[in-house]
Amino acid sequence: DQQVKQNSPSLSVQEGRISILNCDYTNSMFDYFLWYKKYPAEGPTFLISISSIKDKNEDGRFTVFLNKSAKHLSLHIVPSQPGDSAVYFCAADTSGTYKYIFGTGTRLKVLA
Amino acid sequence: DAEITQSPRHKITETGRQVTLACHQTWNHNNMFWYRQDLGHGLRLIHYSYGVHDTNKGEVSDGYSVSRSNTEDLPLTLESAASSQTSVYFCASSEGISGGAPDTQYFGPGTRLTVL
Repeated sequence: DQQVKQNSPSLSVQEGRISILNCDYTNSMFDYFLWYKKYPAEGPTFLISISSIKDKNEDGRFTVFLNKSAKHLSLHIVPSQPGDSAVYFCAADTSGTYKYIFGTGTRLKVLA
Repeated sequence: DAEITQSPRHKITETGRQVTLACHQTWNHNNMFWYRQDLGHGLRLIHYSYGVHDTNKGEVSDGYSVSRSNTEDLPLTLESAASSQTSVYFCASSEGISGGAPDTQYFGPGTRLTVL
């Protein structure tokens, strides 16, 4: 049973517009949610995180929203830039276990 | 600057061979992890370690082993490589923060392994 799901394998967005990447989870015990960005032939890099007690966290062009009742989080990128084209992974963490559960990833393509 | 490195970056081997992938971090992190990335599966945890001489099985540990003899290194060994183990392998490390903040993992650049 997949505890963290990213149901959209790919997404294309025009440069300057908003990109919205979605992630659903099933385990209400997760304490933190994280987004990682991955370019081809590189390792994933940390982008932004949110605690389960928050509903929003913002860092520059990136905002993560958490809806606990729906067990859903989303990453908003505004405005989208061609350099944002990458695979984005959602991950969930239970404090103290140090182990992440990753989603399957969404490939974002930002069109110039 | 602190970093995490993996070697080799690419490896081709034959079925049945033993293969060892190296992971070295200079963050002085307690925790180290090995993942494999496959299309449609995302990143799946193979083995992890919370410190020297500590190792634990992850979600997909069959056919793999690790050992942690020092803080910096966590080599991953495929005892008898199988074609199903063709994948991209990522090593990661984290400080081991508990409570108050997520324990951010930092990833290496990956090793692409092909088993023929």
